Formats: sequence, C-alpha cells, structure tokens
Amino acid sequence: AQSVTQPDIHITVSEGASLELRCNYSYGATPYLFWYVQSPGQGLQLLLKYFSGDTLVQGIKGFEAEFKRSQSSFNLRKPSVHWSDAAEYFCAVGGRNAGNMLTFGGGTRLMVKP
Amino acid sequence: DTGVSQNPRHKITKRGQNVTFRCDPISEHNRLYWYRQTLGQGPEFLTYFQNEAQLEKSRLLSDRFSAERPKGSFSTLEIQRTEQGDSAMYLCASSPVGGVVTEAFFGQGTRLTVV
Repeated sequence: AQSVTQPDIHITVSEGASLELRCNYSYGATPYLFWYVQSPGQGLQLLLKYFSGDTLVQGIKGFEAEFKRSQSSFNLRKPSVHWSDAAEYFCAVGGRNAGNMLTFGGGTRLMVKP
Repeated sequence: DTGVSQNPRHKITKRGQNVTFRCDPISEHNRLYWYRQTLGQGPEFLTYFQNEAQLEKSRLLSDRFSAERPKGSFSTLEIQRTEQGDSAMYLCASSPVGGVVTEAFFGQGTRLTVV
C-alpha cells in the first residue's frame, strides 16, 4: 500500500527566507506526486504535480519541487516566502497502481514571521 | 468554470440524525471523488465515480455512508445515524476527461459537526 510521510508538522520561517517542506513516499511503481495547499477552512489548491520527465517541476506562486527516486522524496521549495504563504501544505501520491485515489501525508503547517 | 462547488459549507447535526451533502463538479469532468479530512490530518479517500458509476469505495465508507451520482453530474453523500466520530471536513474533487486519473481539483468542503 502507498503512504506519504511529512516529517515536519509545523515550520516557522521569516518572511523573505527560503523554504523547504519535506515529503517522503512509499509506492510500488512509478508515482504521480502532488503538492496541495490549504488555507484555514478552505479546500485544497493544487500547487504542482510530477508525472514523468524533468524531475524539477515548477508550480504556481513561485513554488517548485524536486523528485528524487533514490530517496523516495518530493520536497517542496520556495526561494523567498511571503506572509500570504502561511497555510497547511499536503503532499500526495497516486498512480496507475493506486486506482483512482490519492494518498495524502499528514500535512505541514507553515507559519511566516514578519 | 466556477470550480467544484459543495453545499452546505457547514452542517451541525445531533447524533443519530441523517445528513446529506451535495457536490457539483467542474463541468465536463467525468470523474468525481469524495474525501474525508479530520482535524490535523490529511484527506482520506472515501469513494470514486466515473460518470454515474461508483467504481471504488474505501473501507472507511461504512454501511451508514452512501454516495450517489445519478446522472453523472452532481453527487450526494449521505450519512445515516451520524456519530460524533463522523465530525470532519468532507471534500469533493473532480478530474477532467482524458487527464491523469488522480489529478484532482478540490472544492471548499463541507464541515460536519455532530453534537
């Protein structure tokens, strides 16, 4: 069965600082990987996705993520964080062997200090 | 394109009552998903429809839960005899025809509180 681990439950960064959110996955075949962002009381917005090809993917709002098969990781990065980035971030895995479902990690709550 | 729409946004119900939620997917998306998210956790898959056919159901979907998508457009999720453990955010998502199956666009969710 597939699984996703987000080791950091909470992260606090200063505005303008760089950010990296960690994601490790377990999946028996080629994974499809996603990062979603959720503001309080809201649904999930897709930030970026990886299906195949270039292992560095660009997303919305200046986010990027790098797929590293050898480390089973798909970490999310942003070079300079803005106060509006404060939210909860979820990594998810799916794929052809997963049927039609996504498996999500437990999330990382990002707080941004002024 | 107004996105995935869910109603109501919030529902408070007494234990033992039945509740029904509605999801309107993005138009022309033939795939529709329901997820449940409890406080502090990531969403968990409940069920999946392709058009009107319910093709997958999670073990989380107990006999008290039923989902329908009668005409392949909107979907409803009903919970019978609600329990306090049903309190959660219920998220609906849809994905486009021809797209990667698991690329999903989410609605804003229905938050259920069972008192």
